[in-house]
Amino acid sequence: GENVEQHPSTLSVQEGDSAVIKCTYSDSASNYFPWYKQELGKRPQLIIDIRSNVGEKKDQRIAVTLNKTAKHFSLHITETQPEDSAVYFCAGLYGNKLVFGAGTILRVKS
Amino acid sequence: NAGVTQTPKFRILKIGQSMTLQCAQDMNHNYMYWYRQDPGMGLKLIYYSVGAGITDKGEVPNGYNVSRSTTEDFPLRLELAAPSQTSVYFCASSRATLYNEQFFGPGTRLTVL
Repeated sequence: GENVEQHPSTLSVQEGDSAVIKCTYSDSASNYFPWYKQELGKRPQLIIDIRSNVGEKKDQRIAVTLNKTAKHFSLHITETQPEDSAVYFCAGLYGNKLVFGAGTILRVKS
Repeated sequence: NAGVTQTPKFRILKIGQSMTLQCAQDMNHNYMYWYRQDPGMGLKLIYYSVGAGITDKGEVPNGYNVSRSTTEDFPLRLELAAPSQTSVYFCASSRATLYNEQFFGPGTRLTVL
């Protein structure tokens, strides 16, 4: 089936600490795994994505890792800041459709 | 460029009423999507379109209809509104699906009473 599971559902970290969110996907996912950030009351926006021909991708404080054997991928945020507080969604591509995980509420405490 | 626009921003419907949620994009994107987001939940795909005249069902299409007569517009029709359709509706567009960012509209908050 087409399924993406995301954990944890909520995550609280102290400002400056790292945050890690993990997603697993079912067999039929294609080779593209994006991450979207949604601030309170706003629209989702792409923050980073990874294709299955690479194992890791970084963009400043954000990185995504992909383990194709285990069928999971993770978002890593280092040196968290209050503006990182938001809901984060992972997604997997199935045919022409993105299937989203249920989301992780990240709270960065200052 | 305005990007993806949606109207209305808010709407309250009575059970059994119908309405159309409007979505337009000015980026000349072929792919367009409709999602619903229930409180505290993720995004569920309702319908999508890969080009003018072509639409297909997503995960939760029951109770909705769509049409795509132009590249720019992708309206979502709710017939016989039910309380279960209370949600925030997001329209999105992309150049293609593979390796392409989806750009979301600001959303329409719909309440059915």
